[in-house]
Amino acid sequence: AQKITQTQPGMFVQEKEAVTLDCTYDTSDQSYGLFWYKQPSSGEMIFLIYQGSYDEQNATEGRYSLNFQKARKSANLVISASQLGDSAMYFCAMRPMDSNYQLIWGAGTKLIIKP
Amino acid sequence: GAVVSQHPSRVICKSGTSVKIECRSLDFQATTMFWYRQFPKQSLMLMATSNEGSKATYEQGVEKDKFLINHASLTLSTLTVTSAHPEDSSFYICSARGPSSWDRGMEPQHFGDGTRLSIL
Repeated sequence: AQKITQTQPGMFVQEKEAVTLDCTYDTSDQSYGLFWYKQPSSGEMIFLIYQGSYDEQNATEGRYSLNFQKARKSANLVISASQLGDSAMYFCAMRPMDSNYQLIWGAGTKLIIKP
Repeated sequence: GAVVSQHPSRVICKSGTSVKIECRSLDFQATTMFWYRQFPKQSLMLMATSNEGSKATYEQGVEKDKFLINHASLTLSTLTVTSAHPEDSSFYICSARGPSSWDRGMEPQHFGDGTRLSIL
């Protein structure tokens, strides 16, 4: 079965520290994509970063990077120099290749940045 | 680029009312759109996948006659909650498959801002 697991329901991090949000996935597909989204309390879903299963390098987007370990089936999100505005829910999602573009979602991690 | 607009952002109405929610891709054509429902402190639950010009594909357990989806153009999909009742109160959010310029068709979904529906 295809599944995304986020084991951290909530995290508190001091402002300016780096934070790692865990995500593991389960799939037998050879080709798939992994996505991270941020959902502030206002509700909108903001696309952060993408990693393809065939990409050899870890994806980076500004302060966001994805620590992709294919053998371990993990795709952790790393946020460097956290800011108060990073407080939000973070969702990891996977798109298997043959899925009509549908995403499989993790349960999410609530991140709170402390001043 | 890849902006999705969802309207209205909030609806409060009486039980028995039908409510229409619009989802528009503003600067790209969206052949595929998705409708999700989200309960408080939970993840997104896919309700249906909507392809332009064809009938929506509903997920198991989602009532087609309760949640009518129409994707009449490449930029607009609508979700109508018919004869809404308090148990239909929820956060509904749409997304559109992004412009197909990405590697191997792995373009991200771009989301509207969501609609908070409250049925009294």
